[in-house]
Amino acid sequence: KNEVEQSPQNLTAQEGEFITINCSYSVGISALHWLQQHPGGGIVSLFMLSSGKKKHGRLIATINIQEKHSSLHITASHPRDSAVYICAVSALYSGGGADGLTFGKGTHLIIQP
Amino acid sequence: GAGVSQSPSNKVTEKGKDVELRCDPISGHTALYWYRQRLGQGLEFLIYFQGNSAPDKSGLPSDRFSAERTGESVSTLTIQRTQQEDSAVYLCASSLLGQNNSPLHFGNGTRLTVT
Repeated sequence: KNEVEQSPQNLTAQEGEFITINCSYSVGISALHWLQQHPGGGIVSLFMLSSGKKKHGRLIATINIQEKHSSLHITASHPRDSAVYICAVSALYSGGGADGLTFGKGTHLIIQP
Repeated sequence: GAGVSQSPSNKVTEKGKDVELRCDPISGHTALYWYRQRLGQGLEFLIYFQGNSAPDKSGLPSDRFSAERTGESVSTLTIQRTQQEDSAVYLCASSLLGQNNSPLHFGNGTRLTVT
């Protein structure tokens, strides 16, 4: 079973700072998801990627398949970015059935004004 | 358009009772997932349906848990003889294709409290 480690577990930063959240996994994957869980509990998918880099607004996600590592960056952070950011990976498809996602424990981000 | 819909939004039940949770995925989404999130904990995978493939039930914690899906539409998660440790938010998500090809869309969850 894949092990997914996120760091840091908790991060408090000032508004405007550049934020980096890291995710490492132990075995080969076919896709990696970054999710955002708001304080009210709702979960939103930010990115799904299997190689390279994706950008959406102030958010950037990168993945290095060889190193089994992904990063989520937030530029010009804002208090509304305060949330839990979750990394999840799906195992390489085995052909006999679908594997569920394995989740990291999340990074609690607080952006102070 | 309509997102993933879950019902009920809250459920309080007595220990030992059976409960049924419902998920209506986004129309046309072939993949459907159930997760559990206990208070202060991370997401825990329960079961994954993908088209006509055999579902991945590897995350179901005990034989008291079961789930069904009708074609590519509604799914129900059933918990029999509920225990206090079953108290959690049960989240459903769907995606257009499999989890390797398309992003996940989450419902707002069902908060289950077992007294």
